[in-house]
Amino acid sequence: DQQVKQNSPSLSVQEGRISILNCDYTNSMFDYFLWYKKYPAEGPTFLISISSIKDKNEDGRFTVFLNKSAKHLSLHIVPSQPGDSAVYFCAASEKYGQNFVFGPGTRLSVLP
Amino acid sequence: DADVTQTPRNRITKTGKRIMLECSQTKGHDRMYWYRQDPGLGLRLIYYSFDVKDINKGEISDGYSVSRQAQAKFSLSLESAIPNQTALYFCATSDPGRGGMDTQYFGPGTRLTVL
Repeated sequence: DQQVKQNSPSLSVQEGRISILNCDYTNSMFDYFLWYKKYPAEGPTFLISISSIKDKNEDGRFTVFLNKSAKHLSLHIVPSQPGDSAVYFCAASEKYGQNFVFGPGTRLSVLP
Repeated sequence: DADVTQTPRNRITKTGKRIMLECSQTKGHDRMYWYRQDPGLGLRLIYYSFDVKDINKGEISDGYSVSRQAQAKFSLSLESAIPNQTALYFCATSDPGRGGMDTQYFGPGTRLTVL
């Protein structure tokens, strides 16, 4: 059973609008969460992270929200740009610096 | 130059063959990882190493072995490849740093096809 779920395999958004990518987890011991972005023929690259002591972390156009009680996090991209089109992976770990569990990914397409 | 490199980038082999995938990094990180990516399953951890003398099995280590030849090199071997090992393989490194917040840096991937 997957411990990290991304229930939307794909998402299409118009350029300039908000993209919201969702991630749910089942392991209540997870306390550190990351988002990675992956372009075709490249490895995933780190985007943004959040620890369980926070409920929000913002970096430019990217904001991650964490709802621990619901075991849910989301990535908001505002405004969305065509260059944001990629596969986004959510990942979680139980302890800082320990192993990460990845979700299956969501393919975001930002339409011009 | 890329900080994490993988060779080969693509490989087609036959069932029963021994295959080695290599990973090198110039980031100076102690921690290295091997993942495989399959459609709909995300990245799954095969093996990881927190230093040269430390090797640990991940979620799906059966059928694989690894060697940490040096801090900068971490190789993944398939002793006898089988078709369900056809996947995209990623090497990654990390360094938790003083704050303990870890981020992984991935190589470009190796696409392996086992016929």
